Amino acid sequence: QSALTQPRSVSGSPGQSVTISCTGTSSDVGGYNYVSWYQQHPGKAPKFMIYDVNKRPSGVPDRFSGSKSDNTASLTISGLQAEDEADYYCCSYAGSYTWVFGGGTKLTVL
Amino acid sequence: EVQLLESGGGLVQPGGSLRLSCAASGFTFRSYDMTWVRQAPGKGLEWVSGISGSGGSTYYADSVKGRFTISRDNSKNTLYLQMNSLKTEDTALYYCAKRWSYYIDYWGQGTLVTVSS
Repeated sequence: QSALTQPRSVSGSPGQSVTISCTGTSSDVGGYNYVSWYQQHPGKAPKFMIYDVNKRPSGVPDRFSGSKSDNTASLTISGLQAEDEADYYCCSYAGSYTWVFGGGTKLTVL
Repeated sequence: EVQLLESGGGLVQPGGSLRLSCAASGFTFRSYDMTWVRQAPGKGLEWVSGISGSGGSTYYADSVKGRFTISRDNSKNTLYLQMNSLKTEDTALYYCAKRWSYYIDYWGQGTLVTVSS
C-alpha cells in the first residue's frame, strides 16, 4: 500500500495547460481503470473531479480531463484559471476493497 | 443535499483510545459503502478504512489493521471509527466519506485527532 507518486508542484499561467502525473504499479493504477482525481483548496475538504480515469462528475468544467497509460495516470487542466490553484490528489483502487492515494501536487497559477 | 458531520476528535496520549462519529444525511445511508480517510498536518490523503452498506464487510489499511475498527448504525445514519493503541503518527484530520462505485463522491469537513504526550 505505497502511495502513488505525483510531482510535488506544477505551475502555469492563466490560459495555459498543465498536466499532473500519477505513477503507481500494476497492482493499482495499471491493474484497474478505477482512477479518480480530487481537488483540495486550503482548509477545505477534497472535491471529486474525475472518475473512471477520464469521466467528469456533474458540475466539473470540461477544462479538466484525465487519461492513463500503463501504470501512470494523468490529469490535464486546460485554460488555467486563478481558481484552479489548489492541491490535486490522484486515487486508485488497489484490489480487495482498498484504495491508495497519491502524495498530492500543488498547482500554482502564476 | 449530502451532509457528513464528523465529531469525536481531540487530544489523546499515545496508547490511548478515541471514537469518531459521522452523522450522515441527504441520502439513503444504508445503501452506500462508507470510508474514513485521514490527512496528517501538511501531508497527503491516506485511505484508512471502509465498510459495506450493511456493515457486514470491513476493510483496513495495513497501517491501522488490528488497532482501528469501523462500524455503522444504519438506524441512526451514523458511521464510527474506534481507534485504539493510538500512535503519534495517527495524528491527522479524519474525514468521513461516502463511497459511490469505486470512488469517494462526498466528504465531510473532518475532525482533528492529535496523539501527543
